Amino acid sequence: KNEVEQSPQNLTAQEGEFITINCSYSVGISALHWLQQHPGGGIVSLFMLSSGKKKHGRLIATINIQEKHSSLHITASHPRDSAVYICAVDDTDGLTFGKGTHLIIQP
Amino acid sequence: DAGITQSPRHKVTETGTPVTLRCHQTENHRYMYWYRQDPGHGLRLIHYSYGVKDTDKGEVSDGYSVSRSKTEDFLLTLESATSSQTSVYFCAIQKGGAETQYFGPGTRLLVL
Repeated sequence: KNEVEQSPQNLTAQEGEFITINCSYSVGISALHWLQQHPGGGIVSLFMLSSGKKKHGRLIATINIQEKHSSLHITASHPRDSAVYICAVDDTDGLTFGKGTHLIIQP
Repeated sequence: DAGITQSPRHKVTETGTPVTLRCHQTENHRYMYWYRQDPGHGLRLIHYSYGVKDTDKGEVSDGYSVSRSKTEDFLLTLESATSSQTSVYFCAIQKGGAETQYFGPGTRLLVL
């Protein structure tokens, strides 16, 4: 079973800062997912990627298959980006999740 | 948004009582999943289904059973609820393998 580690666990930053959240996993995968969970509890899929880089608005996700590592970047961060960001990998019987990164962006 | 609902959204029950949570989708997706989310553990897979009447166990399946008699419904049953099953339960759907999963709004269950 894959082990998924995220860092940092908690991150507080000022509005406008460039944010990086990291995710590493132990076993080769077919796909990696980045999810966002807002304080209200709902979970939204941000990206699914198997190689390279994807961009959506101010969010960028990259993956290095050889290194077994992915990063989620937020440019020009805003208080509305405050949420828990969760990395998950496709495993043999569904997703295996990291424990999440709790991000707070202060005005 | 993917058409996925969960019911009930909140439930308080007593130890030893049976509880059934329902996940309903309107997307006709093949795969359905039940996860629980607990502080310090993140999301963990309970059971999943890859088709009608086709289900399998996940990482934390003890004390839970599931059924899927129709494509659109995936039921999670706690036969005899325990306090350790107090959690937030999420259902997710997926069209095919290695595709995006869409999550339901969650069910908060408190077992007293």
